[in-house]
Amino acid sequence: SQQGEEDPQALSIQEGENATMNCSYKTSINNLQWYRQNSGRGLVHLILIRSNEREKHSGRLRVTLDTSKKSSSLLITASRAADTASYFCATDAGNQFYFGTGTSLTVIP
Amino acid sequence: NAGVTQTPKFRVLKTGQSMTLLCAQDMNHEYMYWYRQDPGMGLRLIHYSVGEGTTAKGEVPDGYNVSRLKKQNFLLGLESAAPSQTSVYFCASRTSGLGEQYFGPGTRLTVT
Repeated sequence: SQQGEEDPQALSIQEGENATMNCSYKTSINNLQWYRQNSGRGLVHLILIRSNEREKHSGRLRVTLDTSKKSSSLLITASRAADTASYFCATDAGNQFYFGTGTSLTVIP
Repeated sequence: NAGVTQTPKFRVLKTGQSMTLLCAQDMNHEYMYWYRQDPGMGLRLIHYSVGEGTTAKGEVPDGYNVSRLKKQNFLLGLESAAPSQTSVYFCASRTSGLGEQYFGPGTRLTVT
């Protein structure tokens, strides 16, 4: 399988705390993307980082990419109850995407 | 704009039956994808298309066929459903080979 893996599988934090999720992948990539999925819904794109970038910010999101280690991390700062969802990394290797297994985040009000 | 829509939302099939899932997008995207999502497995790519009239196999294509006769539609067919095909199916599209994907709401399929 070309799937990546995410760590941790589940994360529970208090509102206002930061949440960090990690993603490891196997293939060479053009870019890496993070998606969010609320229970029972489709995935929504959060942020894209290109293979020649090391860090990217978007609002409360910070993504890092280390292509030498084939890993990425997603940091959500000042979490809110509405951030409760599953988060997936996806590696873009051209025409095909490979998704990680996901991190289930629960933010407790 | 409706974005990406999927029909039907739910379906129950008996083993051996056939069905077609329809994905439609109104964003004039070139690329379209079919995924399946199983518990603990993330999303796995079944088939994809880089333009009207073209299709290609993804990571888990066995047991599925696809067609892209019109740019806005991508059909996923199950010729002889098996219990192992019980899953949630997602369609996605994107404008080119380097951008973000836009996902449909999913189709929950149960094969008994």
